[in-house]
Amino acid sequence: GAVVSQHPSWVICKSGTSVKIECRSLDFQATTMFWYRQFPKQSLMLMATSNEGSKATYEQGVEKDKFLINHASLTLSTLTVTSAHPEDSSFYICSAALDVMGGTRDQPQHFGDGTRLSIL
Amino acid sequence: GQQVMQIPQYQHVQEGEDFTTYCNSSTTLSNIQWYKQRPGGHPVFLIQLVKSGEVKKQKRLTFQFGEAKKNSSLHITATQTTDVGTYFCAGPHNDMRFGAGTRLTVKP
Repeated sequence: GAVVSQHPSWVICKSGTSVKIECRSLDFQATTMFWYRQFPKQSLMLMATSNEGSKATYEQGVEKDKFLINHASLTLSTLTVTSAHPEDSSFYICSAALDVMGGTRDQPQHFGDGTRLSIL
Repeated sequence: GQQVMQIPQYQHVQEGEDFTTYCNSSTTLSNIQWYKQRPGGHPVFLIQLVKSGEVKKQKRLTFQFGEAKKNSSLHITATQTTDVGTYFCAGPHNDMRFGAGTRLTVKP
């Protein structure tokens, strides 16, 4: 149980293109999902917290107009990298935790397989 | 926000040697979680520690939570090549901030 599916797994596109990444919780509901960015051999950098039915919470330094997040259902969150440029190339990964009484704060995170984004 | 510091950043061991990574927080944690990320893969949840002084074992892996609930460690006994990867600790935030990770390489 607790499977998170992330799609696509790999994207190569031209500079200026917008890219949408989907994160789905397959067998559980997730009112909260997290989006991370990871550079090679580095830790996961939290970009934003995606909240179902409300606006995402962005971390300091992350441009919300650049990285659009939509969490329209209890099982789907999307991250759109708008007008992507080479510096946006990275590994993007989402995670979700089971919704339990008391919230998700102490629940283990289940990660998608990640999306490798390469902007030419 | 609250951060957890993790050391060492890298550790290279000979197969059969032991390995330990440490996490420290400046504030008390209600719990701490450990994850493993294989090269090219995504983080996978290993364990959660909740109680002060708690020790949990998973085969050759031993996880400890400090008495003050500000630090934690992961110890691997007699490493194997399958242990290769990056081990992350994470504090219990709504926003799930991860430590920097310890990258373990094992020489056969």
